[in-house]
Amino acid sequence: KAGVTQTPRYLIKTRGQQVTLSCSPISGHRSVSWYQQTPGQGLQFLFEYFSETQRNKGNFPGRFSGRQFSNSRSEMNVSTLELGDSALYLCASSLELAALYNEQFFGPGTRLTVL
Amino acid sequence: DQQVKQNSPSLSVQEGRISILNCDYTNSMFDYFLWYKKYPAEGPTFLISISSIKDKNEDGRFTVFLNKSAKHLSLHIVPSQPGDSAVYFCAASAYRGGYQKVTFGTGTKLQVIP
Repeated sequence: KAGVTQTPRYLIKTRGQQVTLSCSPISGHRSVSWYQQTPGQGLQFLFEYFSETQRNKGNFPGRFSGRQFSNSRSEMNVSTLELGDSALYLCASSLELAALYNEQFFGPGTRLTVL
Repeated sequence: DQQVKQNSPSLSVQEGRISILNCDYTNSMFDYFLWYKKYPAEGPTFLISISSIKDKNEDGRFTVFLNKSAKHLSLHIVPSQPGDSAVYFCAASAYRGGYQKVTFGTGTKLQVIP
């Protein structure tokens, strides 16, 4: 069974631009969560999608948004990029809602650098 | 507001010895705890978990201990192996606002020295 895939793996953008990251969950998984990982803050939860609906949201500004398609694939969008948005963005999938005692399976991440 | 804290950013242990990774939390509503391991250039992988109704869970070389009164969680790896060198994240889950939410710690980088 294929794992969680994320594209692109690496991305360089400049301040003010916008970016879209993509995540394909494990086949059959209905939940997709997004996390931001930075050296000082660890893994921070962005949001979770389940059955095309946002079910959970972390404490990030409205510049961060996402969506989920009927095939459970998810995209995350960041608008008006800031230097501080440089991070590793991880996507995780699980069978049901992530924190309902289900393990999450993580993708390799997209490394975003904002210049 | 860091509700899940891993106060040691790094830890070095000799091969064959015990590695103890610690995690503290502040929210008494957390009812499920997990540990993830992360190698460079890879996403975190699930390692072991424990429910708040237990105080210990063991899986091979990995044991997680939960002390609810102290709001403290620890992961013991015995014996430690060089392949265990990675960043370890603890995570806690709570029911909030109608949904379960998972909060991760900042991670501890473990280096096992051969």
